Amino acid sequence: DVKVTQSSRYLVKRTGEKVFLECVQDMDHENMFWYRQDPGLGLRLIYFSYDVKMKEKGDIPEGYSVSREKKERFSLILESASTNQTSMYLCASSGGTSGRASETQYFGPGTRLLVL
Amino acid sequence: SQQGEEDPQALSIQEGENATMNCSYKTSINNLQWYRQNSGRGLVHLILIRSNEREKHSGRLRVTLDTSKKSSSLLITASRAADTASYFCAAKAAGNKLTFGGGTRVLVKP
Repeated sequence: DVKVTQSSRYLVKRTGEKVFLECVQDMDHENMFWYRQDPGLGLRLIYFSYDVKMKEKGDIPEGYSVSREKKERFSLILESASTNQTSMYLCASSGGTSGRASETQYFGPGTRLLVL
Repeated sequence: SQQGEEDPQALSIQEGENATMNCSYKTSINNLQWYRQNSGRGLVHLILIRSNEREKHSGRLRVTLDTSKKSSSLLITASRAADTASYFCAAKAAGNKLTFGGGTRVLVKP
């Protein structure tokens, strides 16, 4: 089974702090994604990566950056956390560049971040 | 922007009843997927229907797709208390991105 893990289930940070959210997958997937989930808004894509050291902006990249130094690890960085970044953050991965393996995403359990 | 929009936002049914939820999307898609999320957890993939398919079954799940109306429906038959969760549709256009809707919260009462 594919396993996607996230470094923390719950996190409390103060406004202005730098925050790192880590995601690791064990299925050698090429593609990795960071979403945030807010009530009534569903999942919104922040950034994604289709290869090591490659990244692309999603729908709401402002205030975030990402890092993908190794294939299995995709980090989301909040350079200076703000209260409006309080949310549930979900990491996902998918395999390959074509075919069925690339079509479904496997999600981690999520990190619930509270910025005070 | 939201590609998929679910309807209703919430649904409450008795165990044994069927649950139907709908999804609309805006642009052409390669496939449409449905995911389930238990409270406070990550999403789990349920079923995928391709743009050239009209109906697909998986166990107690039935998905339909009407590309002319840009809509899909998910039917859960003979619901169980364990089906209580949020259900999301996700539209896949070209590339590897999915665009998710706001979800339908389903409560199955024992």
